[in-house]
Amino acid sequence: QVQLVESGGGLVKPGGSLRLSCAASGFTFSDYYMSWIRQAPGKGLEWVSYIVSSGNFIYYPDSMKGRFTVSRDNAKNSLYVQLSSLRPEDTAVYYCARGAAAGSVPSFFDYWGQGTLVTVSS
Amino acid sequence: QSALTQPPSASGSPGQSVTISCTGTSSDIGNYNYVSWYQQHPGKAPKLMIYEVSKRPSGVPDRFSGSKSGNTASLTVSGLQAEDEADYYCSSYGGSSNWVFGGGTKLTVL
Repeated sequence: QVQLVESGGGLVKPGGSLRLSCAASGFTFSDYYMSWIRQAPGKGLEWVSYIVSSGNFIYYPDSMKGRFTVSRDNAKNSLYVQLSSLRPEDTAVYYCARGAAAGSVPSFFDYWGQGTLVTVSS
Repeated sequence: QSALTQPPSASGSPGQSVTISCTGTSSDIGNYNYVSWYQQHPGKAPKLMIYEVSKRPSGVPDRFSGSKSGNTASLTVSGLQAEDEADYYCSSYGGSSNWVFGGGTKLTVL
């Protein structure tokens, strides 16, 4: 069955950096687009990034461009996000989610991991 | 890209139907049939319930249905059951490789 397992979260000071990972199994990872989506405590969901199956194209909302860098290693079935210049408002659970199959319209996220908590505080 | 607008709460008694709205703009919901809905129980990951406005993934009960009119999408839960009590989020493709979510609606089964 499809499994997504995030890791790498923790407590970091403002201005610091953190690298999150997502290990995928149960499907052909290289055939799917992938996303990071976050949820601040008690708040709603917020899309963070979207990376195509090859890794050649990566999309971010304007509010996160320049601070977050997403990558993937299809040989290791893994998705990553490097979080930099972190602010207290970046405190959230970060989920990785599977997007569309390559070549399909990226219209939904059908499997989600359990998330990893990032806390930005001094 | 602004978040989609959902009511903060909705409620219904067991067996009743409840509809949750999700309002966007002509740039997202109004322009694409790429609306999806997610159910989230406390402390759990979101689960896809509806995609492309009205399609149900395998395993989702047919009590859940989706629709869209203009810039507003809706999720209807019929025959409410206790396990339907959860937070529900809508999402839409917003063009230019952007995705947007709603603020969420807490559904209470009375």
